[in-house]
Order: sequence, then C-alpha cells, then structure tokens
Amino acid sequence: KQEVTQIPAALSVPEGENLVLNCSFTDSAIYNLQWFRQDPGKGLTSLLLIQSSQREQTSGRLNASLDKSSGRSTLYIAASQPGDSATYLCAVTSGDDMRFGAGTRLTVKP
Amino acid sequence: KAGVTQTPRYLIKTRGQQVTLSCSPISGHRSVSWYQQTPGQGLQFLFEYFSETQRNKGNFPGRFSGRQFSNSRSEMNVSTLELGDSALYLCASSLDPGTGSYEQYFGPGTRLTVT
Repeated sequence: KQEVTQIPAALSVPEGENLVLNCSFTDSAIYNLQWFRQDPGKGLTSLLLIQSSQREQTSGRLNASLDKSSGRSTLYIAASQPGDSATYLCAVTSGDDMRFGAGTRLTVKP
Repeated sequence: KAGVTQTPRYLIKTRGQQVTLSCSPISGHRSVSWYQQTPGQGLQFLFEYFSETQRNKGNFPGRFSGRQFSNSRSEMNVSTLELGDSALYLCASSLDPGTGSYEQYFGPGTRLTVT
C-alpha cells in the first residue's frame, strides 16, 4: 500500500527566500506524481505533473524533481512571495490509486 | 475553458439526513473522481467514474455512493449522515487518469457540515 509523507508539516520563510518542500513515497512503481496548491477552504490547484519517466518539471518559479528509486520528490520555489502562502500537497498515482501527502503549510512573511 | 464546478458550495445537514453533491467536469474530460478532505484524515479517495461506470472505489462505507451521467457530470450521495461526514468534498476531472498520463483538475469543493 502506497504511503506518502511530506516534510516539514509547516514552514515559515521571509519573502524572497528560495525554499524546498519534500515528498516521499514508499512504492516506487508509480505512474506519476503531482504537486498541488490549496488555499484555505478551497479546492486544489495543480502546479506540476511529473510522469514516472521524467526527472523534473518546471513552471515559472517552481521546479519539481522526481527520484523514483529513492521514493522522493522535491518542489523548489524560487524567490518566494507572500502570495505563495498556501498548503502544498503532493499526490502519487500508482495502479488505480491516487494517494496524497498530508501537505506542507507554507507561510511567506513580507 | 471552464474549470470543474461543484454545487452546492456549502451545505448544512442534520444527522440521519441524506445529501447529494454535484460535479461538472471540464469539457471533454470523461473521468471524475471524488475525494473527502478532513483535518484528521487529510485527503482520501472515495471513488472514480469513467464512462458512466465506477472504475475504482476507496475504503468508505456503502452510505457513500455515486453515479456518472452520459455527459460526464457526476453526483455523489451520502445517506444517513453522521457527524463524522462533515468535510470538504472535492471532485476532480481528468481525460483518463487510468493511464497515468493526465493531470487531475480539482473543483472548489463542497463544504458539508453535519449537525
């Protein structure tokens, strides 16, 4: 059974700092890994999708990497802004199942 | 292109009642998945529908059911509501997540409160 863990649970950084969020999973037989952003009380916004054959994906200030062999993914956010404050979730699709981590709550202070 | 829409956005019900939530996927998307999000359990998969058939099901009691219509719109129903059913219910659509090739796009959710 796939288990997804995100560390840290919460992170607070000053504006402008670069930061890394971590996601680990126990079963490397995955189809893809997806990073989402969730604002309080809202739905999920897809940020990046990495297929199992890919090593990384980039979108603007975001870069996500995937290392299947070690069961890890990172989401790198460059030059953080207060508007980046949200909960970031990673989700792993394997078989017919999509499992989510508990999320990292990011606060970017002005 | 319009995103995933869910109705209603907020709902308050009492224990023992039943509720129906609706989800309209992105145009062209044939797969609809439902998730429950609570502070204690996080995001949990309920079920997935593709071409009007339930393709996958999570570990939830039979009180939770769903269906999909020919236009890919989906409804989920919860009968005999319990206090623990209070949650944000999220719907996601995809071209076909069964292949693992497509992103899931989420709706804003329906906030259900059971009193």
